[in-house]
Amino acid sequence: AQKITQTQPGMFVQEKEAVTLDCTYDTSDQSYGLFWYKQPSSGEMIFLIYQGSYDEQNATEGRYSLNFQKARKSANLVISASQLGDSAMYFCAMQRQGAQKLVFGQGTRLTINP
Amino acid sequence: ETGVTQTPRHLVMGMTNKKSLKCEQHLGHNAMYWYKQSAKKPLELMFVYNFKEQTENNSVPSRFSPECPNSSHLFLHLHTLQPEDSALYLCASSQAGRMLNQPQHFGDGTRLSIL
Repeated sequence: AQKITQTQPGMFVQEKEAVTLDCTYDTSDQSYGLFWYKQPSSGEMIFLIYQGSYDEQNATEGRYSLNFQKARKSANLVISASQLGDSAMYFCAMQRQGAQKLVFGQGTRLTINP
Repeated sequence: ETGVTQTPRHLVMGMTNKKSLKCEQHLGHNAMYWYKQSAKKPLELMFVYNFKEQTENNSVPSRFSPECPNSSHLFLHLHTLQPEDSALYLCASSQAGRMLNQPQHFGDGTRLSIL
């Protein structure tokens, strides 16, 4: 069975600093995808970034990058130059090859202080 | 039009009521999903539809009845709900198929409260 673990219930960061949100996963599959979503207080889940298990390069999307360490089964999200609007819940999720189900972690609440 | 639209945003109902949640996507996708997000629990997949056909039901109680009349619309019909069904219900859509790099796009959710 797949499992996603996010060990940081809450993070507090000063504006303009970089922040790393941790995500570890457990799977016996060889082919899988890892996703990060942002959920503001409004409720919408916003897709941020994707990493495939066979991708050799770490994924990047603007200020978001994914620090993928396959051997350690970790897929940490790095947000550079944090902004007040980055305050939200962040979820790591996994999808196995051949399935449509996303398995989510418990999430990390990120608060950016001015 | 935003990508995935859910109505209503908030719903309060009694345990004997019947109501429906609506989801509409404008992304040209052909797979749609219902998820449940309860307090202090990870999101749970409820149903998956591909090309209007239900392909997954994750042991959801029969008091939740989904309907997918076409690839753009998805409904969740509710009846005789229990207090533990109070949660945020999220709809998502994606391209159908089993490719991994097709992210699911979510709506704002319907926050449901059962009295």
